[in-house]
Amino acid sequence: SSELTQDPAVSVALGQTVRITCQGDSLRKYYASWNQQKPGQAPVLVIYGKNNRPSGIPDRFSGSSSGNTASLTITGAQAEDEADYYCNSRDSGANKVVFGGGTKLTVL
Amino acid sequence: QVQLQQWGAGLLKPSETLSLTCAVYGGSFSDYYWSWIRQPPGKGLEWIGEINHSGSSNYSPSLKSRVTISVDTSKNQFSLKLSSVTAADTGVYYCARGQWLRVPPTSFVKYFDYWGQGTLVTVSS
Repeated sequence: SSELTQDPAVSVALGQTVRITCQGDSLRKYYASWNQQKPGQAPVLVIYGKNNRPSGIPDRFSGSSSGNTASLTITGAQAEDEADYYCNSRDSGANKVVFGGGTKLTVL
Repeated sequence: QVQLQQWGAGLLKPSETLSLTCAVYGGSFSDYYWSWIRQPPGKGLEWIGEINHSGSSNYSPSLKSRVTISVDTSKNQFSLKLSSVTAADTGVYYCARGQWLRVPPTSFVKYFDYWGQGTLVTVSS
């Protein structure tokens, strides 16, 4: 299967912990990466692989994976974390990349 | 510091060909795959295709019949052409640097660590 499924919307209280998930058959073979996109801006990579953060990404962002599910966790969510989050992975059956539909995170 | 700068026509009529170019500044050009990704208004990201420095390319099956991605290593640039556009091709188009990293013991991860600024392409008669 070439689909990655994400919850359309998730909310979290300021300072609390939130987990955003991504499900798909390709995740049984390949790890996911996670991209944050704020309105009117290009996406920004926040997590890739087992749990790798690019330089400049706060350590409150972390990643994990189990079976066909990848998760992005934000521990102590901040107002500036309000954004759309997209997972992506290599497709397990074809030489292409697939993106999840995105999760809109609201920080209350 | 790696930067991707993209440009191209922003307004097209149905049946015309979309043409965008992305220039890469800083870093190695030959060590990566270079992708085009698009985003319809209010919707999610869609991968279009990728190419490496030697011209080896992969395309999304849904767009393959209309897409050509090419590379100019002398200028560290890569380009996208999408033919026979319709209103459904309207959206923001991004270029991005893709990495394919081995994750021990047996897996891999594909990620995009640098993105262009995006180009809004509108298809309208």
